[in-house]
Amino acid sequence: QKEVEQNSGPLSVPEGAIASLNCTYSDRGSQSFFWYRQYSGKSPELIMSIYSNGDKEDGRFTAQLNKASQYVSLLIRDSQPSDSATYLCALEGSGIAAGNKLTFGGGTRVLVKP
Amino acid sequence: GAVVSQHPSWVICKSGTSVKIECRSLDFQATTMFWYRQFPKQSLMLMATSNEGSKATYEQGVEKDKFLINHASLTLSTLTVTSAHPEDSSFYICSARNRLAYEQYFGPGTRLTVT
Repeated sequence: QKEVEQNSGPLSVPEGAIASLNCTYSDRGSQSFFWYRQYSGKSPELIMSIYSNGDKEDGRFTAQLNKASQYVSLLIRDSQPSDSATYLCALEGSGIAAGNKLTFGGGTRVLVKP
Repeated sequence: GAVVSQHPSWVICKSGTSVKIECRSLDFQATTMFWYRQFPKQSLMLMATSNEGSKATYEQGVEKDKFLINHASLTLSTLTVTSAHPEDSSFYICSARNRLAYEQYFGPGTRLTVT
C-alpha cells in the first residue's frame, strides 16, 4: 500500500464546474497536509495547507481534512482552463526520522474543458 | 511572499564537468532545504535534505560524492553535480521549509542537459 494515494485521472471537468480531488494516507501521525499544483514542465506550486480537521477555504479552493478517516480532499470551484494541471497531495511525515520530508501522492491530472 | 529562486534556470554542460545550482529563499529563512530530481512524466524524487550548518542527508541510492550539497546560510543551499554524465540530465528542483511555519515552497527548477 502506498503511503499517499491519489487517483491518477485524468479528471475531466467542464469549465465553471467543481473539481473534486481526493487523497488518502496511511501515516496516522501526520499533522501537516498540503496540495500542490504542477503544470507540465514546471515545478510544484503550493496552493493549500491544512493542519486541522474540517474545511479551509482560500479563494476558489477548499481543502478538507479528516484525520480519523485519513483522507484529505481539494475542491476547485468555478474551474477554469488555467486550472488544468497535475495536483499533488503531500504530507509531512511524523516522527524525528521523517525529518520534515514531504511524502507525495502520484498526483491527479485535471483537465478543464471550455 | 514565500519566494524561492534557483539559478541557473537551465544549463548545458559537457560530460565530465561539474555544475553548481543555487537555491535561495528570498523572503524567509529556511533551516531546511530539499533537493529533488524529476524525469519527464515521472514523480518528484527526493535526493537529499539539507540543514543549515550541517551535513546533508541523502536518500538511499543517491551518491553523496556525486551530488555535493552545501547549506551555508538560512537562505542559500547549493547542489553541485560533479563529473556529470548524460544520465544526470534531468529537472532539478529545490524546496525550502519556512523556519516559522510548516510549509515548503519550491523553486522554479533547473533543467540540466549533459552532452
